[in-house]
Amino acid sequence: AQSVTQPDIHITVSEGASLELRCNYSYGATPYLFWYVQSPGQGLQLLLKYFSGDTLVQGIKGFEAEFKRSQSSFNLRKPSVHWSDAAEYFCATSSNDYKLSFGAGTTVTVRA
Amino acid sequence: DAGVIQSPRHEVTEMGQEVTLRCKPISGHNSLFWYRQTMMRGLELLIYFNNNVPIDDSGMPEDRFSAKMPNASFSTLKIQPSEPRDSAVYFCASSVGSQQFFGPGTRLTVL
Repeated sequence: AQSVTQPDIHITVSEGASLELRCNYSYGATPYLFWYVQSPGQGLQLLLKYFSGDTLVQGIKGFEAEFKRSQSSFNLRKPSVHWSDAAEYFCATSSNDYKLSFGAGTTVTVRA
Repeated sequence: DAGVIQSPRHEVTEMGQEVTLRCKPISGHNSLFWYRQTMMRGLELLIYFNNNVPIDDSGMPEDRFSAKMPNASFSTLKIQPSEPRDSAVYFCASSVGSQQFFGPGTRLTVL
């Protein structure tokens, strides 16, 4: 069964600094990969997804992620963080049957 | 589009009571999912419907939990009887294809 690991439980970053959130997946074939963001008290919003093709994926809110098969990784990046990016971020994977398996999440705190 | 609609947003009940959570998926979406989110276990898929038919309910914790989807625009998740360990945020999501759209969730507290 597919699974994802998010090694970082909590990251603190200064406003304007770059952000990188790590995600490692475990799956035999090429999985579908997703990044979701959850603001406090809100549901999950899709930031970006990777199915195939170009391994650098652009998403909403200035986020991007890079699929690296050799490292089984799908790390999320943003060049310059805004205070509104403070939230919890979830990496997820699914096989063709659309069942999402979520990582434990990474909480991002943005300091002024 | 209004997105996925869930009600109620918050529910506080006493142990032993029946709880019903409701979900209206996005129109045209043929798949519906119920998830539970807790600090201890993170996000867990409870049940997955496709074209109103339950396809996978392996995540349903036990017989106290049941879910129905009587038509394409409505689904319920029922807990009877409820227990304190059921306290969590319950999310409904719908999709057409592989992209799931999540509702705002129902925060359930069982005292």
